[in-house]
Amino acid sequence: DVKVTQSSRYLVKRTGEKVFLECVQDMDHENMFWYRQDPGLGLRLIYFSYDVKMKEKGDIPEGYSVSREKKERFSLILESASTNQTSMYLCASSLWPYNEQFFGPGTRLTVL
Amino acid sequence: DAKTTQPPSMDCAEGRAANLPCNHSTISGNEYVYWYRQIHSQGPQYIIHGLKNNETNEMASLIITEDRKSSTLILPHATLRDTAVYYCIVTVSNFGNEKLTFGTGTRLTIIP
Repeated sequence: DVKVTQSSRYLVKRTGEKVFLECVQDMDHENMFWYRQDPGLGLRLIYFSYDVKMKEKGDIPEGYSVSREKKERFSLILESASTNQTSMYLCASSLWPYNEQFFGPGTRLTVL
Repeated sequence: DAKTTQPPSMDCAEGRAANLPCNHSTISGNEYVYWYRQIHSQGPQYIIHGLKNNETNEMASLIITEDRKSSTLILPHATLRDTAVYYCIVTVSNFGNEKLTFGTGTRLTIIP
């Protein structure tokens, strides 16, 4: 089975802190994605990556950056965390050319 | 991407077929219909997808109307573990480089 793991299930940070969310997949997938999920808004795509060192903006990239130095790892970075970034963050991966995305369990981030 | 409309919630008796509708009246000819579900406290899980023909796999069946303006996901023998939020998504399939836009979905509750 494909496994997508995220570094933390729960995280509490303070406003202004730099936050790193890590995602690792073990099935050699080319594509990786970061979403955030908020009540009433569904899942929204932040960034995605089709290959190592490649990244593209999703629908809500403001306030975030990403890094993909190795194929299996995709990091989401909050340069200066703000309270409106309190959310559930979900990572996903997919194998080119297939479209099925496999999701991790999510990281619930609270920014105080 | 075309938008989808789903009922916010549905109930289904355990052991019966659960039929989840989705309207996508502005779907384009090259757009696929995807279904995912999200069980509480987990990441979304891919169920099935289709273009114009009906599809079936071990989890569910997908019925797409001839005009492709609506579809129905069928869980043939619902169990309590099928209680989840179900998302209908329409997107262009670009050989694995698709962007999935999740709405708020249908909250399906299986009643014992």
